[in-house]
Amino acid sequence: DTGVSQDPRHKITKRGQNVTFRCDPISEHNRLYWYRQTLGQGPEFLTYFQNEAQLEKSRLLSDRFSAERPKGSFSTLEIQRTEQGDSAMYLCASSLGGRLSYEQYFGPGTRLTVT
Amino acid sequence: GNSVTQMEGPVTLSEEAFLTINCTYTATGYPSLFWYVQYPGEGLQLLLKATKADDKGSNKGFEATYRKETTSFHLEKGSVQVSDSAVYFCALIGEYGNKLVFGAGTILRVKS
Repeated sequence: DTGVSQDPRHKITKRGQNVTFRCDPISEHNRLYWYRQTLGQGPEFLTYFQNEAQLEKSRLLSDRFSAERPKGSFSTLEIQRTEQGDSAMYLCASSLGGRLSYEQYFGPGTRLTVT
Repeated sequence: GNSVTQMEGPVTLSEEAFLTINCTYTATGYPSLFWYVQYPGEGLQLLLKATKADDKGSNKGFEATYRKETTSFHLEKGSVQVSDSAVYFCALIGEYGNKLVFGAGTILRVKS
């Protein structure tokens, strides 16, 4: 099964440290999305890419957050100077383009705990 | 902006009971509507979708009808099983958008 994969699955870090997460989408999907989910809430959109272009960013994505998709395949999400409020599940999803982008397939997520 | 409101849980049912989880939305134009499910320890899975008014999405015995007049997309199943215990999320994509907007989720617990 070549679904969306994310690495690591869990990350514990101390406040002020930088962390980087990786997402590998389904191979033929040209769109890639990042969402954040806090306990008891639904996922919230952070940003999305079409191929290597970052086309939309949420206001949730402060300047401490940066996402890249350098070759239009895998993507990384980096959080600099982590804060306790960054503790959440970070979800990656991918889809085909056009109307087929309506079907987004999610990875298992990376759970970040900032102590 | 676009938003989704779904009924608060947890919803606790006995096996073979009828399930309804209410979902209403606010959006301009004609959004596409979805139900996602998250089983314990697993990622989000697309359960069903409807992309235009009066469409009925269905999968694994679950169904939901896109009601434009009431801006609703309620999830139903005629007979739930213990294995249906999970968190269910209602979501939409705006008519000209690309991002999913989710409700807060409803926990379903089915007891045998």
